[in-house]
Amino acid sequence: DVKVTQSSRYLVKRTGEKVFLECVQDMDHENMFWYRQDPGLGLRLIYFSYDVKMKEKGDIPEGYSVSREKKERFSLILESASTNQTSMYLCASSSQLAKNIQYFGAGTRLSVL
Amino acid sequence: AQSVTQPDIHITVSEGASLELRCNYSYGATPYLFWYVQSPGQGLQLLLKYFSGDTLVQGIKGFEAEFKRSQSSFNLRKPSVHWSDAAEYFCAVAGGGNKLTFGTGTQLKVEL
Repeated sequence: DVKVTQSSRYLVKRTGEKVFLECVQDMDHENMFWYRQDPGLGLRLIYFSYDVKMKEKGDIPEGYSVSREKKERFSLILESASTNQTSMYLCASSSQLAKNIQYFGAGTRLSVL
Repeated sequence: AQSVTQPDIHITVSEGASLELRCNYSYGATPYLFWYVQSPGQGLQLLLKYFSGDTLVQGIKGFEAEFKRSQSSFNLRKPSVHWSDAAEYFCAVAGGGNKLTFGTGTQLKVEL
């Protein structure tokens, strides 16, 4: 089974802190994704990566950046956390052969105070 | 641009009753369509997918969905709901490339 692991289930941070959310997948997938999930808004794509060191903006990239130095790891960075970034963050991965079938981690619930 | 509409925010059904969750999509060509389920505190799990061919697709946990091009719909069905089906359900569309566009979700409550 594909396993996508997000390093933290819950995080509490202060406004202005730099926050790192980490995601690791164990299936050698080329594609990795970061989504934000908010009630009534569904999942919105923040960034995705289709190869090491490659990234593309999703629908809501403002206030976020990403890093992919190794194929299995995709990090989401909040340079200066704000209260409106309090949300559930979901990481996903997919292979290039079955690129639309995404596998999700359990999510990180981030609270910014 | 592709989009997905799930018109029902909440649905409540009795255990053993049938279920239909609605999904409408917008995309210019034949889309790839998906249903995912999210149990409380969990990530999303793929229930089923439609790429081409038979318009009635079977998925895990006894779910099925039917692609209707004329109605731009991909509704999810289950003949008899179990209490463990209580969860949030997301419809998604992919038009090519690597990206999925998700609907806003339908929260299913099952009454015992």
